[in-house]
Amino acid sequence: EPEVTQTPSHQVTQMGQEVILRCVPISNHLYFYWYRQILGQKVEFLVSFYNNEISEKSEIFDDQFSVERPDGSNFTLKIRSTKLEDSAMYFCASSVRGEKLFFGSGTQLSVL
Amino acid sequence: AQTVTQSQPEMSVQEAETVTLSCTYDTSESDYYLFWYKQPPSRQMILVIRQEAYKQQNATENRFSVNFQKAAKSFSLKISDSQLGDAAMYFCAYRGNAGNMLTFGGGTRLMVKP
Repeated sequence: EPEVTQTPSHQVTQMGQEVILRCVPISNHLYFYWYRQILGQKVEFLVSFYNNEISEKSEIFDDQFSVERPDGSNFTLKIRSTKLEDSAMYFCASSVRGEKLFFGSGTQLSVL
Repeated sequence: AQTVTQSQPEMSVQEAETVTLSCTYDTSESDYYLFWYKQPPSRQMILVIRQEAYKQQNATENRFSVNFQKAAKSFSLKISDSQLGDAAMYFCAYRGNAGNMLTFGGGTRLMVKP
């Protein structure tokens, strides 16, 4: 069964550094998403992406965040200058039309 | 803004028994989608079941079924014949008809006792 792939599974970085989290969505999907989950808290929506542009974003997704689909397969989330509070599990998801999301296994980001 | 509430932080069930997890939501929309996701210790989010609000019939997927009460804005998940592998966090989620954003509840940790 096709699945969403995320790399790396764990990322450790120093505060103020830039990080790029990578995702390979399911190949025939058209909608792409990033969510995050701070340990012990709710899963929170960050951004959705369709037709090579952001279609929705939350208040969390400020100027420090950006997304890109640099080629036909990858979907990336960049955090320009990481803060301690960015430490979380980041989930990528994709869907055909937005009605059924398939999630990746997540990238655990630890900001020291 | 839509909100999703799961009032049970933890639930436990004996293996082979039935358990029901509760979820309520608040919305002013008439068309929307509701989901239950399972998150095992690996932390991957796995879709368990989906319900379209315009459908009166409750969704079922093998041992998993929902009790969707639109007027009460309630969406509970029933797990029948519970198995050890069902132990996980379960998240209820809402998606409006206009956008693609999922709003999640706080989760219920389900423990299955052998």
